[in-house]
Amino acid sequence: EAGVTQFPSHSVIEKGQTVTLRCDPISGHDNLYWYRRVMGKEIKFLLHFVKESKQDESGMPNNRFLAERTGGTYSTLKVQPAELEDSGVYFCASSPRLAGVYEQYFGPGTRLTVT
Amino acid sequence: KNEVEQSPQNLTAQEGEFITINCSYSVGISALHWLQQHPGGGIVSLFMLSSGKKKHGRLIATINIQEKHSSLHITASHPRDSAVYICAVRRRSARQLTFGSGTQLTVLP
Repeated sequence: EAGVTQFPSHSVIEKGQTVTLRCDPISGHDNLYWYRRVMGKEIKFLLHFVKESKQDESGMPNNRFLAERTGGTYSTLKVQPAELEDSGVYFCASSPRLAGVYEQYFGPGTRLTVT
Repeated sequence: KNEVEQSPQNLTAQEGEFITINCSYSVGISALHWLQQHPGGGIVSLFMLSSGKKKHGRLIATINIQEKHSSLHITASHPRDSAVYICAVRRRSARQLTFGSGTQLTVLP
């Protein structure tokens, strides 16, 4: 079974540009989470999808961030326009069911550098 | 103050030593996770606990729900155990994880 994949692994963009990160969860996993770690800080939650619906987006920092999950499969996280403080590692995770407590399976992360 | 506190932040050990990393949390939880991240690597789940103790190879994780405390132990540590170890909790009212700041472990040969 393929794990969670993320693309790209690393992105370097200039301030003001747009970047789109992609996450492919484990097939059949209804829950998809986005997290990020900015320099020197702990990993923080951004948002949670259940299938194609946003269940909780309380961690999204501002309206420059837009997440979508087409057809309940892969998800994209777009940052437009990017700012310096957006630099960090963006992780995606998925888990199989809505009810119960299940492990979350993490992707390798996308390292975003905004210059 | 973060809801999940880990200690120590950095830990250097000699190969073969017994290692303990601690995690305290201040909220009601449904589960606690121990995660591992190697340099440049992704995050791997080591344990998910809601009570008691779990063991996998040289790794042991314990949790005391009443004291809101968990420990991760590594027996007979090896340089390949060098990584960041992260404690994360799932709050009772949420599905996402809340993370500690991580413990950077370096095991010297």
